[in-house]
Amino acid sequence: EPEVTQTPSHQVTQMGQEVILRCVPISNHLYFYWYRQILGQKVEFLVSFYNNEISEKSEIFDDQFSVERPDGSNFTLKIRSTKLEDSAMYFCASPGTTGDNEQFFGPGTRLTVL
Amino acid sequence: QKEVEQNSGPLSVPEGAIASLNCTYSDRGSQSFFWYRQYSGKSPELIMFIYSNGDKEDGRFTAQLNKASQYVSLLIRDSQPSDSATYLCAPRSGGYQKVTFGIGTKLQVIP
Repeated sequence: EPEVTQTPSHQVTQMGQEVILRCVPISNHLYFYWYRQILGQKVEFLVSFYNNEISEKSEIFDDQFSVERPDGSNFTLKIRSTKLEDSAMYFCASPGTTGDNEQFFGPGTRLTVL
Repeated sequence: QKEVEQNSGPLSVPEGAIASLNCTYSDRGSQSFFWYRQYSGKSPELIMFIYSNGDKEDGRFTAQLNKASQYVSLLIRDSQPSDSATYLCAPRSGGYQKVTFGIGTKLQVIP
């Protein structure tokens, strides 16, 4: 099964600080997604990224969030000034290689904002 | 109306029984439907997907889709304790669009 990797696995930060979450998607795919899951709630879509541009974003993805592709294989999600309510699991997802357009999720980064 | 509705459970079944998980969705434009399994504290793991009306079988899992009724289900035959997890229904409108998750149904398989 294709593998998506994420770092760090757990990030603890103080409110107001910037955090950068990293992901390496399945290789050679142009599509990429970020989701989050607040404890006890459903998985929510944040943003999709295609060919180095945002293709869709949710209302959650406000000006405090940004997504970049700093090099050919890595993607980042940046939260500029974290709030308590940003505490959640953040997942990146990538299509596979079979052409069926399914989405495979990384293991997630648990973000804790104190 | 919620986009994706699932009974949050828990659904308890004895080991070896058939577990039936149901989901309804509101977006008639949904074209593909994914079932994910999520263990506590872990990320969603893709089990299977279905595009066409009818049944699709993969091992112990069978997905059923009825677009007219906006209903999709997942059957798990010969349920095992290791199947105990939350099962997430996730429709997608098409192509490489985002998937939209329901709250998930928590399944407990009793040994």
